Amino acid sequence: DAGVTQSPTHLIKTRGQHVTLRCSPISGHKSVSWYQQVLGQGPQFIFQYYEKEERGRGNFPDRFSARQFPNYSSELNVNALLLGDSALYLCASSSRFWDRGNTIYFGEGSWLTVV
Amino acid sequence: TQLLEQSPQFLSIQEGENLTVYCNSSSVFSSLQWYRQEPGEGPVLLVTVVTGGEVKKLKRLTFQFGDARKDSSLHITAAQPGDTGLYLCAGALKEGAQKLVFGQGTRLTINP
Repeated sequence: DAGVTQSPTHLIKTRGQHVTLRCSPISGHKSVSWYQQVLGQGPQFIFQYYEKEERGRGNFPDRFSARQFPNYSSELNVNALLLGDSALYLCASSSRFWDRGNTIYFGEGSWLTVV
Repeated sequence: TQLLEQSPQFLSIQEGENLTVYCNSSSVFSSLQWYRQEPGEGPVLLVTVVTGGEVKKLKRLTFQFGDARKDSSLHITAAQPGDTGLYLCAGALKEGAQKLVFGQGTRLTINP
């Protein structure tokens, strides 16, 4: 079975541009979360979607938005890119809404460089 | 301020030595997970601990959740070069929490 797949794997954008990152969860998983990992730090939570509804939002500006589609895949959109948005963007999926001991699986991430 | 503090942040030891990585917080966590991350890849789950005082073993790795569920440790026995990587602890603040809070990671290097 395929794991969590993300695209693109690497991309370079210019300040002020917009970017869309895509994620396909593990088959049968209905929960998708997005995390930002800046070089040298641990991941930080951006969003969680479950059954196509936003269920959680981290401390990120409104330039960050996301959505989940009927097939449970997800997109993360970032507008008006800043240099500080350069990071590894990780998508994680789980079979249900987070609870104790629920296993979360991460994709390999999308490396975004803003120049 | 980091909600989960990992220590040490960097550790370089010789093959065969033992080591312990700590993950501490002033907050109580419903559960805590340990991940290992290789360069250019996403984190891979090693273990989840949910009960205060719980100890789990994964081959040469031993994970412990503190009695008060505020801290955790990862102990590696007889470290091998293949153990090299970034180790991350992550916790859920409450049952049903929608997000994981990550520590800043411990970068471990095992020298042959």
